[in-house]
Amino acid sequence: DTEVTQTPKHLVMGMTNKKSLKCEQHMGHRAMYWYKQKAKKPPELMFVYSYEKLSINESVPSRFSPECPNSSLLNLHLHALQPEDSALYLCASSQDGSGQGVGYTFGSGTRLTVV
Amino acid sequence: DQQVKQNSPSLSVQEGRISILNCDYTNSMFDYFLWYKKYPAEGPTFLISISSIKDKNEDGRFTVFLNKSAKHLSLHIVPSQPGDSAVYFCAASRRGQNFVFGPGTRLSVLP
Repeated sequence: DTEVTQTPKHLVMGMTNKKSLKCEQHMGHRAMYWYKQKAKKPPELMFVYSYEKLSINESVPSRFSPECPNSSLLNLHLHALQPEDSALYLCASSQDGSGQGVGYTFGSGTRLTVV
Repeated sequence: DQQVKQNSPSLSVQEGRISILNCDYTNSMFDYFLWYKKYPAEGPTFLISISSIKDKNEDGRFTVFLNKSAKHLSLHIVPSQPGDSAVYFCAASRRGQNFVFGPGTRLSVLP
């Protein structure tokens, strides 16, 4: 298995809803990432988990809450989002946090629309 | 201030010719660089990497060149194929952490 699987592929939520994005990989990668990508912009890093511990939080608002229950799973809990949070949310993994010599594997993303 | 720049928003190349995508960075502490390729409605996929200890890395039709003194890297695709049409992002980091992405270059390979 050489994939990063993200569910759901599409999500529409209201500003008062609570929802979660899920990401799963079974490649034995120990670093996992959440990116946010707005239309026609490059993916922006949100969070990095390394060995199941949050190692980087790129000043992301608290309405986004990441969780890494185990080395294969990464969740992003969403609460009280704003319409401007609508974007493609990408999960990625790599063998370890250094990334040296090892490529990143990205999921296909969750297209989130906040109404 | 953009730390990673891709000054050509788009590039068109004839099939079979060479595509050269350029990337400049400002932070001399960056030591590890990636190129991503992104098709519409998909996540960016890793293409090729280069560490600052090298000045060239090759993988099939894709070669990345790094000029540390000029803080410049380039991606060469030879020969270009229509399936290579996509947006290409350059990304830079220090020790593989906290990548900073460029704005991307849209490559169109014309049959």
